[in-house]
This record gives sequence, structure tokens and C-alpha cells, in this order.
Amino acid sequence: DQQVKQNSPSLSVQEGRISILNCDYTNSMFDYFLWYKKYPAEGPTFLISISSIKDKNEDGRFTVFLNKSAKHLSLHIVPSQPGDSAVYFCAASAASNYQLIWGAGTKLIIKP
Amino acid sequence: DADVTQTPRNRITKTGKRIMLECSQTKGHDRMYWYRQDPGLGLRLIYYSFDVKDINKGEISDGYSVSRQAQAKFSLSLESAIPNQTALYFCATQGGMGYEQYFGPGTRLTVT
Repeated sequence: DQQVKQNSPSLSVQEGRISILNCDYTNSMFDYFLWYKKYPAEGPTFLISISSIKDKNEDGRFTVFLNKSAKHLSLHIVPSQPGDSAVYFCAASAASNYQLIWGAGTKLIIKP
Repeated sequence: DADVTQTPRNRITKTGKRIMLECSQTKGHDRMYWYRQDPGLGLRLIYYSFDVKDINKGEISDGYSVSRQAQAKFSLSLESAIPNQTALYFCATQGGMGYEQYFGPGTRLTVT
């Protein structure tokens, strides 16, 4: 049973517009959430995170929103740039350990 | 120089062969992880180690073994490779109180 779900395998967005990537989770014990970005032939790289005590965290063009009641988080990228084309993974962790549980990823394609 | 390195980057091997994937890190992190990535399945945890004397099975450890030779080195072995172990393998590190994991570039393994 997948505890972290990214239901959109791919997303296509026009350059300059907003990209919104979604992630749902089922385990109410998760209290820390992370987004990673992965280019082909490279390992995933950390992008942004959020603790369950917050509902928003912002870093430059990237903002993560957390809705605990809906067990849902989203990553907003504004404005989208060609270099943002990559696979984005959502991951979650519970305070009881440091392991990360990963979603299947969403491939973001930024169109010129 | 990269903080987390993996060797080899690519490997083709035959069914039944033993193969070792190596991971080294210069980040000084205690916690190290091995994952495999398959299309549409995200990252799945094979083994993890919280220090040199601590080795734990992950979600999909069958058919794999690991060795933590030093704080900086964590190797993954396939004792008798089979075709469904064809995948992309990633090593990751994690340190201190942080949840962020730092990944190597990956090893693409093909078992024929």
C-alpha cells in the first residue's frame, strides 16, 4: 500500500506560468515532508521541505503548501523555467525514524 | 569533487553472477541508504545503516546484502543476480538531526 502518492505521472506547463505538483499521503504519523528534483543520469537533489507545524514554506521560486487535514501537499514553481524540466519526487518521514517514504514521481515538462 | 560517489556508473552482468556496487561519501554523515528506482515506482529502500555497527533491512532486501566497511563506505551486493534486479541503484547519506538525504549519481545495472 503506497503511503505517499503522486497521482500525476507527468505535467506539461508553459514557460513563465505556474507549475503545481501534488502529493497525497495516508500515514498521519508523517511530520516532515520533502521535495526532490531529479535530472536524467543524476541522483535526486533536495529542493525544499516543510515541517508539519507549518502550512507553507517558501524558497525563491519554490513554495510548498501542506494541508494536514487533507493529508495533501503541493509544490508551486513560479515562474516556471526550462531548467525546471525534471522528475519531482515527494517524500515523507515520521518523527520515530529518519527513513523517507517516497512517491513515484511526476515528470514536469516546461514548454517554451 | 562529488560528496557522494558510486561505482560503477553502469554495469551489465549475467544471471547468476555476484556483483558489488560501492558507495563512498565525504560528508561525514553517519546514516547511509541504498535504494533502487524502477519506472513508475519511485525509490524503494533496500538496506540502511545508521552507523558502522548498525545494518537494517528495508522494504525490498531479498536477494541483496550490504557491508558498511567504514563510516564513509557502504557497499551493496547482489549475491546471484536475476533479470528483475535490472534497475537504477542509488546510495544516499543523511546526517545529524536532518531529514534531507544526499544522493550519489546512481548505478544503472542490467542483468541479462
